[in-house]
Amino acid sequence: KAGVTQTPRYLIKTRGQQVTLSCSPISGHRSVSWYQQTPGQGLQFLFEYFSETQRNKGNFPGRFSGRQFSNSRSEMNVSTLELGDSALYLCASSSSGNEQYFGPGTRLTVT
Amino acid sequence: QKEVEQDPGPLSVPEGAIVSLNCTYSNSAFQYFMWYRQYSRKGPELLMYTYSSGNKEDGRFTAQVDKSSKYISLFIRDSQPSDSATYLCAIASGGSYIPTFGRGTSLIVHP
Repeated sequence: KAGVTQTPRYLIKTRGQQVTLSCSPISGHRSVSWYQQTPGQGLQFLFEYFSETQRNKGNFPGRFSGRQFSNSRSEMNVSTLELGDSALYLCASSSSGNEQYFGPGTRLTVT
Repeated sequence: QKEVEQDPGPLSVPEGAIVSLNCTYSNSAFQYFMWYRQYSRKGPELLMYTYSSGNKEDGRFTAQVDKSSKYISLFIRDSQPSDSATYLCAIASGGSYIPTFGRGTSLIVHP
């Protein structure tokens, strides 16, 4: 099976802009989770979607949002970018929810 | 107290050594235990997944769970320079679909 894919792999944005990241899960996986990883905070959970519905949500501001499509593909959006949003954004898919299979990540740099 | 504690290291060992990586957790409801390996600038890769106390072996890797002490370990036998990476533990309860991740331990295996 093909693994989790994420696009784009690298992104440079300016403070105040918005960005959309995309994730395609492993075929047959209906759960997609998003994480932010920084050296200072480690891996932080953003939200999880299951069958197009947000099932779990982490402690991030409303500038961070996401959605899932009927084919389980997911997107996350960050509006009004801040310097502190620079991070590796990871998408993970799962069939059960507990075992998470990660994609390669999108490295976002905000200048 | 954080739900999952993991020493960030770095842990530096010579090639061929037996490596022991550990996590402690506070929530006795946790039932599912995972170890991930993350190379620099890559997404985490699932190494081991277990849901019971005791040992689970896969090649050079052994995962050990002690629920009474709320302590999990990952042992790497005959460590290789290619094992140099950050190792993250992740723990989940049956009711919550999202695992809680440790901060990761950086492992360096030098030739």
